[in-house]
Parts: sequence; C-alpha cells; structure tokens
Amino acid sequence: GENVEQHPSTLSVQEGDSAVIKCTYSDSASNYFPWYKQELGKGPQLIIDIRSNVGEKKDQRIAVTLNKTAKHFSLHITETQPEDSAVYFCAANTGNQFYFGTGTSLTVIP
Amino acid sequence: NAGVMQNPRHLVRRRGQEARLRCSPMKGHSHVYWYRQLPEEGLKFMVYLQKENIIDESGMPKERFSAEFPKEGPSILRIQQVVRGDSAAYFCASSPQAGEYEQYFGPGTRLTVT
Repeated sequence: GENVEQHPSTLSVQEGDSAVIKCTYSDSASNYFPWYKQELGKGPQLIIDIRSNVGEKKDQRIAVTLNKTAKHFSLHITETQPEDSAVYFCAANTGNQFYFGTGTSLTVIP
Repeated sequence: NAGVMQNPRHLVRRRGQEARLRCSPMKGHSHVYWYRQLPEEGLKFMVYLQKENIIDESGMPKERFSAEFPKEGPSILRIQQVVRGDSAAYFCASSPQAGEYEQYFGPGTRLTVT
C-alpha cells in the first residue's frame, strides 16, 4: 500500500518568515494530494490540494508543489502569522483510501 | 450549510462496555470515511461507506469494530467490549464523490476507556 512520509515533525519560525513542509509518497498511482490544518481539539481542515496533472497551485499565502517523478510534494506558507500555528498533515489518495503523513507541528513566534 | 457533525464530542467508557460514535455527513454527501488518530500521530483509515454499503473496511480491526451508514440517519461506528487501547480520537469525513475528491472532516469524538 501507499506510504506517506512527512518532514519535519516540528517547525518553529519567526512571524513573517516562510515555512516549508515536505512529504514523499510511494505509490505512483496516487493522483490527489490534499493538505490539512488541525488546531488543538478540532478536526482537520482542508487548506489546499493538488492533482497530479498540475505542478503547482497557490492560494494567497499558501502554495503547494508536486513532483510526480520524484514522488514528493511540499506545502509553502509565506508571511507566516501566529494564527498559522497548528499541526499540518499531508495526504495522498489511492483508490478509495487516503494515506496521511504523521504531521508537522508548526509554531509561529510573534 | 452545516458541516460534518459528530456526536458525542467526548465519550468515556469502562473496559468491556460498548461505544457508539455517530457521524452526519455534509448535505449532499453520500460518502463517509472513518479515521482513528492516536496522540501525536497521523490519521489512520478505518472504513469507507456509501449509503447502505460498506465499500472498504480494510483498515478496521476484524473483531469488536463495525460500521454502518443506513439509508436514513447518521453513520455509526460501533466498538464492542472496549479496551484501553481503543482510547483515541475518531474522525469522520464526508465527500460528494469517491476517490480524488475533497474530504471534509468533523470535529471528532474523543473516546477514553477507563
């Protein structure tokens, strides 16, 4: 089955700096890659996603890149703000299932 | 539009009791997924259901766990004879279609087995 690895597990940045979270996957059949933000005590919230026919997608301060050849995709957050502090999960979809990374705890220091 | 709803939000059960977790998908969504999350870990797929059908239960333990999504009413994840290792957050997600489509998550049910 699919194996999704996510790095780093924790990340601290100064407010205003950029944050980058990277994921790799193993199954070349995976074609859909969402990113979720989870705040303490809440369910994951979809923040951006990308499909395999696209190399990059941007939504305001958030961007995702995908390299299908290398089987990796990344989340980029620019001009970070304290409210960006949360746990971020990447995922890869194969068939009916979504496989999640183990999460990155992002702390934005004011 | 109401989002995905789950209840209860917190559930405490003694070892050996039964736990019933409920999930109402977003309006118009007929695909429901259940996930388990242990502390400081990612989400692990358990089961995928459509109305009245279990499509994929490959992530669900073969004993004590069952799920249903009846024609009317919420999807239910049932855990019989709970053990301490069942303590976790259980999340439900819904989607308008299967596969490469956005999943929207509920707030989760945090199960504690004492």
